[in-house]
Amino acid sequence: QVQLEEAGPGLVKPSETLSLTCGVSGYSISRGYYWGWIRQPPGKGLEWIGSLSQSGSSSNDWSLKSRVTISVDTSKNQFSLKLSSVTAADTAVYYCARHGEGTFDYWGEGTLVTVPS
Amino acid sequence: QSALTQPRSVSGSPEQSVAISCTGTSSDVGGYNYVSWYQQHPGRAPKLMIYDVTKRPSGVHDRFSGSKSGNTASLTISGLQAEDEADYYCCSYAGSYTWVFGGGTKLTVL
Repeated sequence: QVQLEEAGPGLVKPSETLSLTCGVSGYSISRGYYWGWIRQPPGKGLEWIGSLSQSGSSSNDWSLKSRVTISVDTSKNQFSLKLSSVTAADTAVYYCARHGEGTFDYWGEGTLVTVPS
Repeated sequence: QSALTQPRSVSGSPEQSVAISCTGTSSDVGGYNYVSWYQQHPGRAPKLMIYDVTKRPSGVHDRFSGSKSGNTASLTISGLQAEDEADYYCCSYAGSYTWVFGGGTKLTVL
């Protein structure tokens, strides 16, 4: 059974960098699929942030492009998200997920990150 | 990418059927057969209900079905049950290794 778990600080100061990791068990990241980050501001909808392919190349939403870095550590079977220059608008529940072109099939439980205004 | 357009809310009585639409463009929904649907209960992670437009994952009831016509995809839930009350989100591949979600639809079972 594939399981994902997000980890990282729950509070980040404005202008600093948000850093989260997603630990994966039950499946080797290097075997395939994309590994992505999705966020959900309080009371709002889901927003795709970016993803990493098995080859290590990353892509992300154009509106966040310059602030997002997604990387992988295959030795630990985990991948990471860094979002720089955060503001209160970045307050959200952050999810990591395994996905293909047409499906996000396994999700973490999510972690709330708050950026105070 | 702009979010896909979903109705803010839909409702139906038990045993009725409801459909939730998801409208995009020829660059996302209309351009690829890579639309998926997710059910989200309050405080929980999204759950995959439909993938690749029409396919149902193992364990998802056959009351849930998906379809697509042009730039609009739809999720139909037949035989509504109380536990179906949740938020539903569509998602589409948008090319160049990017994805876009819909704004979400709140389903109320009357």
